Parts: sequence; structure tokens; C-alpha cells
Amino acid sequence: DAGITQSPRHKVTETGTPVTLRCHQTENHRYMYWYRQDPGHGLRLIHYSYGVKDTDKGEVSDGYSVSRSKTEDFLLTLESATSSQTSVYFCAISESERQAPNGYTFGSGTRLTVV
Amino acid sequence: GQQVMQIPQYQHVQEGEDFTTYCNSSTTLSNIQWYKQRPGGHPVFLIQLVKSGEVKKQKRLTFQFGEAKKNSSLHITATQTTDVGTYFCAGPGGNQFYFGTGTSLTVIP
Repeated sequence: DAGITQSPRHKVTETGTPVTLRCHQTENHRYMYWYRQDPGHGLRLIHYSYGVKDTDKGEVSDGYSVSRSKTEDFLLTLESATSSQTSVYFCAISESERQAPNGYTFGSGTRLTVV
Repeated sequence: GQQVMQIPQYQHVQEGEDFTTYCNSSTTLSNIQWYKQRPGGHPVFLIQLVKSGEVKKQKRLTFQFGEAKKNSSLHITATQTTDVGTYFCAGPGGNQFYFGTGTSLTVIP
């Protein structure tokens, strides 16, 4: 969707290497989220942010860290990638938190393969 | 934590047949959202339901929110090949939305 971009779109990395995924938005939305999508599990929240430098853990946060130094950018870092982190990663943004009447807007995703 | 269960996981239908996916929560939800994800794509927001017993329609899609606000359904009338994809429900819990595992719809021409 216009207003949110993820980079890179695809990445292959080796086990044990650090990886950073970037999410950039131009909507000035306060809330940003990182999800991973795996077959049989749907979308699971990794971390989210409710403002600059304000972040919190989701249900599958182990092995991941995030940073948000500017409203428009939300970075997801895998400090030491493992094969279990092979997945499709989606960033999402929203104007509000639990109500989000216009829903979440998702980026196009990053397909990460850890070999 | 909050769990949103969705059934069925997969559904194959002949073009023109109807399709329904169901979403159930273990707790009362303040609202529920539905998303569609085309193959190879990203989830796209369809609708949000807030009121008990609410029914909303979008062309051939009918969304319902249960009276107890613990379940919801999405019904597609006379499916078309453009309906192919995975449909997710999502309910709020804590500071996030919990997504169901999705129903993957295949439409056979």
C-alpha cells in the first residue's frame, strides 16, 4: 500500500549473521508493528512501537530487537539469525491502537531465508 | 493470552458456490477486523465490526459479529476467481490485535 515500504523485499543470510529489516512510512502514524507469517500460524506479533523510542514485545519476540528513532522508521534486527527465523516479515502501521477503525496497513513484506 | 481461532483452514469451492469462514474467540471482543491476503501479497484490511449482532455487507461479502461478541463470520456469495486468497480475522487483546490462522480459499473455475 502507498505510504509504507519495506526493505529489502528478499534476503538470504547465513546462520549466525546479524540482519536488519527496515520499515518506512510516510503516513505519520503513531503505531508500527512487526509481524512474522508462517504456514499454520497466521500472523504473529514480534514487536510494536507506540511512538519514537517507545517499543514493546509481542508474542514471539525472542531473538529479535527493534528500534524507532524517527516516527517514519521502524527497524527489526535479528542479532544472530537462526533457521527458525526463516519467514515472511510484515510491517504494519495504524493510527490508533486497539480500535484502529481503518485497520492496519501492511507493507509488502520481506521474505527472509536463513541457511 | 488472547486467542482467535479460525476455521476451516482450507476451503476449495467451485466458482459460483458460496463460502464461509468462521472466527471464534475465547473472550469477549470489543471489535473484530477482517483482512484478505492474495497469494504472494500482503494482508489488506476489509472491515471492522464493533456492535453486538452487527452485519455489514460489501458487495458479495457479508460480515457478521456474534451477539456475545465472541465469534464472527465472513460469507461470500457466488464466489469468483478474484476471491482467491487467505482471509484472516483479528481481535484486540492487550495492546495488539491477534490474528486468526486464516482460511485459504481456492476457487475452481
